[in-house]
Amino acid sequence: GAVVSQHPSRVICKSGTSVKIECRSLDFQATTMFWYRQFPKQSLMLMATSNEGSKATYEQGVEKDKFLINHASLTLSTLTVTSAHPEDSSFYICSARARDGSLDEQYFGPGTRLTVT
Amino acid sequence: SQKIEQNSEALNIQEGKTATLTCNYTNYSPAYLQWYRQDPGRGPVFLLLIRENEKEKRKERLKVTFDTTLKQSLFHITASQPADSATYLCALGLIYNQGGKLIFGQGTELSVKP
Repeated sequence: GAVVSQHPSRVICKSGTSVKIECRSLDFQATTMFWYRQFPKQSLMLMATSNEGSKATYEQGVEKDKFLINHASLTLSTLTVTSAHPEDSSFYICSARARDGSLDEQYFGPGTRLTVT
Repeated sequence: SQKIEQNSEALNIQEGKTATLTCNYTNYSPAYLQWYRQDPGRGPVFLLLIRENEKEKRKERLKVTFDTTLKQSLFHITASQPADSATYLCALGLIYNQGGKLIFGQGTELSVKP
């Protein structure tokens, strides 16, 4: 149980275009989803926290107009990287907390590798 | 400033030995601490959680300790195997009124040689 999927697993896009990444909880309802970014050999950095039906809370230094987060249902959150640039190339990972789960349990997705050319 | 640091160097050990990874933090008051395993190109996989009022937790060949005075956690893998080779991440769980956020260390790369 507690499986989180991400789609796509890899994406290559041209500079200036937008790309959408989906995060789904497959067998549970997630009231909260988290989006992280990880550069090579570095830590996972929390970008934003999204609660179903409300606006996402972004971490300091993360541009909310560039990284659009939509948590429209209890099983789906999307991250859209708008006007992507090569410096946005990274590994994007989501995690989800179950509606009836403990606050200290997060289930991680497999990640999405974004390459901007 | 707030910091979380893991073994700065990669750890190379011989199969069968015990691997010990460290996680130190400053200026945080975590409610709990978690350890994850991450393989290249994959998301983190949860291994163990230890709460602030617990000293030690075990799960099969894994053991984690948590010293809130020293602000340190140690993660041990006993009888290590080549399949244990991966990057191990510690993560601080902040108090619940901060949304239960996780703050990750940079990870320690463990290599177990046969």
